[in-house]
Amino acid sequence: DIVMTQTPLSLSVTPGQPASISCKSSQSLLHSDGKTYLYWYLQKPGQSPQLLIYEVSSRFSGVPDRFSGSGSGTDFTLKISRVEAEDVGVYYCMQGIHLPLTFGPGTKVDIK
Amino acid sequence: EVQLVESGGGLVQPGGSLRLSCAASGFTFSSYEMNWVRQAPGKGLEWVSYISSSGSTIYYADSVKGRFTISRDNAKNSLYLQMNSLRAEDTAVYYCAAGCGYWGQGTLVTVSS
Repeated sequence: DIVMTQTPLSLSVTPGQPASISCKSSQSLLHSDGKTYLYWYLQKPGQSPQLLIYEVSSRFSGVPDRFSGSGSGTDFTLKISRVEAEDVGVYYCMQGIHLPLTFGPGTKVDIK
Repeated sequence: EVQLVESGGGLVQPGGSLRLSCAASGFTFSSYEMNWVRQAPGKGLEWVSYISSSGSTIYYADSVKGRFTISRDNAKNSLYLQMNSLRAEDTAVYYCAAGCGYWGQGTLVTVSS
């Protein structure tokens, strides 16, 4: 199984400041079809996970452009350019190249 | 608007069974691969099972293989998870997900005597 790791596991951010989360996979997520199957989700308190970013850097429908994803192979980053109060929750990365789908442990983001 | 609505959760004794359902609307259900993902209380996300758009390809996590059965009815826009021989460690919120993009609100399964 592909192991996903995330750092940091918690993050306290001042509103308006940037934030960055790192995700690493134990194997390359680059598929032979040329796509890299790395996803980012945000689970707000009391809610189900919502997709933010798919295939490393594509924003899902309705996701604000302050969220961006980057990376390749086994190393990936989610960046929030200016954190807002509504961005609090747990952020998960997930690999979708091989079953079982596997998730990182999550990064809890709160507001200072 | 895309909607996935899970139902069928509840309290069940160890060794018991439950059948979860996921009703889909707002998209072409028959075109989407579907997954069940669960989250134990206070824990992270764990993939449970996958079914292809036609239902011809199915996979399970090792932790549920032989006990859970995933199925779908494209005519009814519905996904199912039959859970047998339930254990305390199956206690979780169960989410259905369309591909990797759309998730339902989840249904809580509690296995306890």
